[in-house]
Amino acid sequence: EDQVTQSPEALRLQEGESSSLNCSYTVSGLRGLFWYRQDPGKGPEFLFTLYSAGEEKEKERLKATLTKKESFLHITAPKPEDSATYLCAVHYGGSQGNLIFGKGTKLSVKP
Amino acid sequence: DVKVTQSSRYLVKRTGEKVFLECVQDMDHENMFWYRQDPGLGLRLIYFSYDVKMKEKGDIPEGYSVSREKKERFSLILESASTNQTSMYLCASSFFRDAGGVAQYFGPGTRLLVL
Repeated sequence: EDQVTQSPEALRLQEGESSSLNCSYTVSGLRGLFWYRQDPGKGPEFLFTLYSAGEEKEKERLKATLTKKESFLHITAPKPEDSATYLCAVHYGGSQGNLIFGKGTKLSVKP
Repeated sequence: DVKVTQSSRYLVKRTGEKVFLECVQDMDHENMFWYRQDPGLGLRLIYFSYDVKMKEKGDIPEGYSVSREKKERFSLILESASTNQTSMYLCASSFFRDAGGVAQYFGPGTRLLVL
């Protein structure tokens, strides 16, 4: 069965305490893996697209990496404003609609 | 910047009412999507459209229909609202690419309460 699993469900960090979020996937024919940030009551905000194993993307304190089975979102020296739910999604197969979202990791960064 | 707008941020309707949710994007995207998001269930695809007047069912189309008469506009219709359709509804759009792997851009969401 095609699926996307994110861990942990929730993560509490102190400001400046670096960590990583995991997204593992089992799909046939990966077309792209996406990371989104979602603030409470708002729509997801696009962060990164990764296409192939070994690829990395960076934006400010965030860095996303991809292997054949999982992706990591590394957060370096986080700040309270990084608090949000981070969603991973995988596009697979032939249809434009074949996108599976993980359930997200809720990140809280305390000052 | 890509902009996806949704007609309402909050909506309260009665059971049995017909409900229209509208979505407009300004980036000339071919694909448009409707999702609902519920605690513990994540985002689930209701319908998507890859061209004007074209639509495909997603994972949970029952109780919903859609309309796409213009490229920039995608409407979600709840034919007869029920309490189990209380949810956050999210619209998204993306370019069409045969190989796929194109990011979707989301609107701000409509929180619908059905009483």
